[in-house]
Amino acid sequence: EVQVVESGGDLVKPGGSLRLSCAASGFPFKAAWMTWVRQAPGKGLEWVGLIKDESNGGTTDYAAPVKGRFSISRDDSKNTVYLQMNSLRTEDTAVYYCAWLYYHYMDVWGKGTTVTVSS
Amino acid sequence: EIVLTQSPGTLSLSPGERATLSCRASQTVSRTDLAWYQQKPGQAPSLLIYGASNRAAGIPDRFSGSGSGTDFTLTISRLEPEDLAVYYCQQYVDSPPLTFGGGTKVEIK
Repeated sequence: EVQVVESGGDLVKPGGSLRLSCAASGFPFKAAWMTWVRQAPGKGLEWVGLIKDESNGGTTDYAAPVKGRFSISRDDSKNTVYLQMNSLRTEDTAVYYCAWLYYHYMDVWGKGTTVTVSS
Repeated sequence: EIVLTQSPGTLSLSPGERATLSCRASQTVSRTDLAWYQQKPGQAPSLLIYGASNRAAGIPDRFSGSGSGTDFTLTISRLEPEDLAVYYCQQYVDSPPLTFGGGTKVEIK
């Protein structure tokens, strides 16, 4: 079965850090570009960032609101992508989705993991 | 950054009616770079249409996508109760960022 499963969401204080994980299965992960998308409570979808496959340098791109605070990495031996979130703010509170970015669209989505930033 | 504007914000229709959702881009978007997603209440989004007009696997043919340039449309030819959802368009270009529209909520009367 083709799927991605996110984990690691938690309640964290402003200024804190958190690492989310996304375990993939059922598709060629080593060749896959992976992306993170978030959704604040009652709001729309917001792209967070992406990581390309190693043949494309494994490079990353980020949305402006998270650039310099968030970083995405991957471990192809574990079919897992990570989202490291530092200097968290209350406005980072959201459900975070991981997705397989196939060509220019998100073909497979996880169920999401909830991050709450609050004192 | 390419901004996608979706309209209307909410669409309230009866079963069997036709729904027309609009997605307008601030700059020209290639057809290959435009997708639509469906998000049902309490669920994650799922791919509906890719390449502006190609249905994703398992999507019924009452869903269709069209358009080019800066104007794209998602049409649901005959609304079913299970089509209650928020629909998002999305574009991707080589430079970041990838962006989503604000969404259209489809309500069933």
